[in-house]
Amino acid sequence: SQQGEEDPQALSIQEGENATMNCSYKTSINNLQWYRQNSGRGLVHLILIRSNEREKHSGRLRVTLDTSKKSSSLLITASRAADTASYFCATPSPAGNKLTFGGGTRVLVKP
Amino acid sequence: EAQVTQNPRYLITVTGKKLTVTCSQNMNHEYMSWYRQDPGLGLRQIYYSMNVEVTDKGDVPEGYKVSRKEKRNFPLILESPSPNQTSLYFCASRGGGTSYNEQFFGPGTRLTVL
Repeated sequence: SQQGEEDPQALSIQEGENATMNCSYKTSINNLQWYRQNSGRGLVHLILIRSNEREKHSGRLRVTLDTSKKSSSLLITASRAADTASYFCATPSPAGNKLTFGGGTRVLVKP
Repeated sequence: EAQVTQNPRYLITVTGKKLTVTCSQNMNHEYMSWYRQDPGLGLRQIYYSMNVEVTDKGDVPEGYKVSRKEKRNFPLILESPSPNQTSLYFCASRGGGTSYNEQFFGPGTRLTVL
């Protein structure tokens, strides 16, 4: 199974609402990253949170990390139609030679 | 503009016909990697390279080859493609020597093997 598992698999919300998605992982990490993928296109890095951080903000994004539970969450506030995409968490191997991705959460923001 | 480029973007081929997907980055990154993305299986790493002439297998290397003769280029070679290699392929690069740097992804190559 994958290092990162995401929940929910899909999410449908109205524009202006908040979207929350969760990621769980299995092994120890030194950081966790979130990426966005618009349909069939390349992934774009959103935010990185280090293992010694509990919360991080970037614009309308808020990421939390709980290393004791091996879980992270991504919150998108005041969502827009342009936020419609798949969101993936990813954890790097200790040597940094591999990113292991979760299965992703598909977010649909309805106007 | 800092970017990772891949060519071709779309390719339909037949079983056994050798093909190469090119990947190039203009950010002077040491690290480059190839992933494939399949429904229900997510993104899986095929091969990676930590620097010129240094390559290693990822999780699903069977049926693929890579080379890293120059820092900017990291082509993916399918010597004898098979239908189970039909997938969406992404090249990625990262600077620095640690895992703390973000990866930059190319736009993807959608490959169909008939």
